[in-house]
Amino acid sequence: GEDVEQSLFLSVREGDSSVINCTYTDSSSTYLYWYKQEPGAGLQLLTYIFSNMDMKQDQRLTVLLNKKDKHLSLRIADTQTGDSAIYFCAAPRHSGYSTLTFGKGTMLLVSP
Amino acid sequence: EAGVVQSPRYKIIEKKQPVAFWCNPISGHNTLYWYLQNLGQGPELLIRYENEEAVDDSQLPKDRFSAERLKGVDSTLKIQPAELGDSAVYLCASSARTGDHNEQFFGPGTRLTVL
Repeated sequence: GEDVEQSLFLSVREGDSSVINCTYTDSSSTYLYWYKQEPGAGLQLLTYIFSNMDMKQDQRLTVLLNKKDKHLSLRIADTQTGDSAIYFCAAPRHSGYSTLTFGKGTMLLVSP
Repeated sequence: EAGVVQSPRYKIIEKKQPVAFWCNPISGHNTLYWYLQNLGQGPELLIRYENEEAVDDSQLPKDRFSAERLKGVDSTLKIQPAELGDSAVYLCASSARTGDHNEQFFGPGTRLTVL
């Protein structure tokens, strides 16, 4: 089955860039996802990348995918205090459309 | 458009009592998920429904947990009897199948505390 690992905590200053890293084990994963969870709320999809892409940019978010190393990263440019939240990396448990396996989440703390 | 609705938002019960959670998915979403989220952890799947059929319930502790999705819309998750270790957030999510892309929309969750 799929296993997803993330660093647990990241602290940055407002205006800096944040980079959150994730590794996964199932090389047949088709789509890979980043979700955001604010306190007391459910998860919200931030962005996703298809496995045949190396990079995807969406406004302040950049996703980089290294399939050889099974490494995924999320870069947030010009990080704001409102970006403080927990970020989850997720990959399908089996290839194709399926249940997602989530990492433990990276808590991002942005200080003024 | 309303998102995924869950109730109650918070529930406090004593151990050995029964408890039930309710979820109303986004209209038109055929797939419904129940997840368990422990403190400091990511969501872990308990059960996945395609319409009214449970297609993945391998992680559901069937001795005390049960779920149903009558008419393929709303769903309830029940625990009977509850144990101290069941204290967690129970998340419901739904998705509309669009090829291999699986965007799940999550409700706010029900925070269960078992005393």
